[in-house]
Amino acid sequence: GENVEQHPSTLSVQEGDSAVIKCTYSDSASNYFPWYKQELGKGPQLIIDIRSNVGEKKDQRIAVTLNKTAKHFSLHITETQPEDSAVYFCAASIHRAAGNKLTFGGGTRVLVKP
Amino acid sequence: DGGITQSPKYLFRKEGQNVTLSCEQNLNHDAMYWYRQDPGQGLRLIYYSQIVNDFQKGDIAEGYSVSREKKESFPLTVTSAQKNPTAFYLCASSAPDTPGYSPLHFGNGTRLTVT
Repeated sequence: GENVEQHPSTLSVQEGDSAVIKCTYSDSASNYFPWYKQELGKGPQLIIDIRSNVGEKKDQRIAVTLNKTAKHFSLHITETQPEDSAVYFCAASIHRAAGNKLTFGGGTRVLVKP
Repeated sequence: DGGITQSPKYLFRKEGQNVTLSCEQNLNHDAMYWYRQDPGQGLRLIYYSQIVNDFQKGDIAEGYSVSREKKESFPLTVTSAQKNPTAFYLCASSAPDTPGYSPLHFGNGTRLTVT
């Protein structure tokens, strides 16, 4: 089955700096790659996703890039703010007729220092 | 407000007891999922259901059971056969717009502690 590796496991940045989280996946058939943000005591929330027919996607201060050949994708957060502090998860799934069985990475704990 | 409700937020049980975690959604989503979250291991899929009265095992189904009698409800039972039941349990749902690409919507989880 699919295996998703995520690095780093923890990331500390100064407010205003950029943060980058990288994920690799094993199944070349995977074609959907969402990123989730989880705040303390809450469930994960989708922040951005990318499909395999797209190389890059941006939404304000966050962007995701996908390299299908190398089977890796990355999350970039620019101009980080204290409220960006959270645990971030990448995930991958394969297009199927129904349902969306995601495989998640191990998570990255991001701390933005004011 | 539409969403997913998990209850209770904290649950304590003695070893050897079965316990049922509740998950209700009012998003009218067809698919529902249960994930287990342990520190440093991300989220692992326990069971999922794409339609009422049907469900499939995920990657770590042993020691768990589910039912899907209603579209809005997907309760998870942690049985005494589960060797390490203490964890944070997350319920999610999705409504495929483009099949395979639909995002998961998560509840706020139930933290189960078994002693």
